[in-house]
Amino acid sequence: DAKTTQPTSMDCAEGRAANLPCNHSTISGNEYVYWYRQIHSQGPQYIIHGLKNNETNEMASLIITEDRKSSTLILPHATLRDTAVYYCIVRPHGGGGADGLTFGKGTHLIIQP
Amino acid sequence: DTAVSQTPKYLVTQMGNDKSIKCEQNLGHDTMYWYKQDSKKFLKIMFSYNNKELIINETVPNRFSPKSPDKAHLNLHINSLELGDSAVYFCASSQASSGEQYFGPGTRLTVT
Repeated sequence: DAKTTQPTSMDCAEGRAANLPCNHSTISGNEYVYWYRQIHSQGPQYIIHGLKNNETNEMASLIITEDRKSSTLILPHATLRDTAVYYCIVRPHGGGGADGLTFGKGTHLIIQP
Repeated sequence: DTAVSQTPKYLVTQMGNDKSIKCEQNLGHDTMYWYKQDSKKFLKIMFSYNNKELIINETVPNRFSPKSPDKAHLNLHINSLELGDSAVYFCASSQASSGEQYFGPGTRLTVT
């Protein structure tokens, strides 16, 4: 079962920042927060991950609270192409073995023109 | 160049048949996966495989079997197909079971 809770859906105006929240109150010390998205009819796409510090890449920013019990994915200037289901996942980064990802229901983000 | 590719993209077949879906990755990763996305859009891990071990999700019927001819390929064989096997199957890869995984475009399997 997924260890995260996300809103079912959100709307955001095109050009504005989209802020997607995720609760992971039972996260363990060795678990990272990962974000993926799935655009309609495509495979999931990795966005970003972090442990405790805020992270930024060319796609998004990830803000993790100090107690690590929640995080927010920020798409700074949302476009229509960002309409997708966004998944927040917690798991160890690696460390041997071959573990898959546990996807929850995600947040359906709809960017409005 | 496509990082993770799957063939075929669509597969329509009848109950009881045996079919295979192929997956190839050119990222040099050492770990590959198969996921199933059902009609309700839930994505679930089926198999994880690297050169050391195969991890099987306990809910996957033994009619499903992954086969890896080399590090770049992980094919999915399905025997005695059932209606409930209809879904989209995604292949993915990563380096050393990292959570940063790269997914293929999916294969939509329809069993009639």
